[in-house]
Amino acid sequence: QKEVEQNSGPLSVPEGAIASLNCTYSDRGSQSFFWYRQYSGKSPELIMFIYSNGDKEDGRFTAQLNKASQYVSLLIRDSQPSDSATYLCAASFSGGYNKLIFGAGTRLAVHP
Amino acid sequence: GAGVSQSPSNKVTEKGKDVELRCDPISGHTALYWYRQSLGQGLEFLIYFQGNSAPDKSGLPSDRFSAERTGGSVSTLTIQRTQQEDSAVYLCASSRQGPGELFFGEGSRLTVL
Repeated sequence: QKEVEQNSGPLSVPEGAIASLNCTYSDRGSQSFFWYRQYSGKSPELIMFIYSNGDKEDGRFTAQLNKASQYVSLLIRDSQPSDSATYLCAASFSGGYNKLIFGAGTRLAVHP
Repeated sequence: GAGVSQSPSNKVTEKGKDVELRCDPISGHTALYWYRQSLGQGLEFLIYFQGNSAPDKSGLPSDRFSAERTGGSVSTLTIQRTQQEDSAVYLCASSRQGPGELFFGEGSRLTVL
């Protein structure tokens, strides 16, 4: 069973701090990795994707990928209360079909 | 439409009844996915369509679940003889081709009494 594991949280950070969200995956053949944000009662929306080892920055968000360790992370700088949501990590399945395997998500709470 | 449209948004049914959930993807998106999300849980993959074909049905929980897609567009997920454990939000997503950016609909919340 191919899995994506995340700490369920909640991860509580003060406004302005860096939030660090982590994810591990079991499918060594996974090539693509995604972070989705899901507000309570809403559907997920893509915020970052990363395909290569290293860091990828987009505004306040930085995705980090280490394929050797099968580890993906998302850093949110200058966290805002509006960042409070559940963050879902997803990895592409290497079994020949185009599907994403999602983790259970980490709930982030940014308090003023 | 501009986004992925799902209907009904809410469905309450009695145990043993059949339900149909509909998904209208973004125009031009060839890939369509169904996921299920139970309360407080992550997204559970159900089925993936490329065009009208379903190369991966591995996530369908039982033979009570089936799905089809016609005209490379609208998809219907059917659950026969519903059980209480089927209660969840059923999310549909589409993308241009493979598992790139998925655009999700607002979901269909199913409650089986």
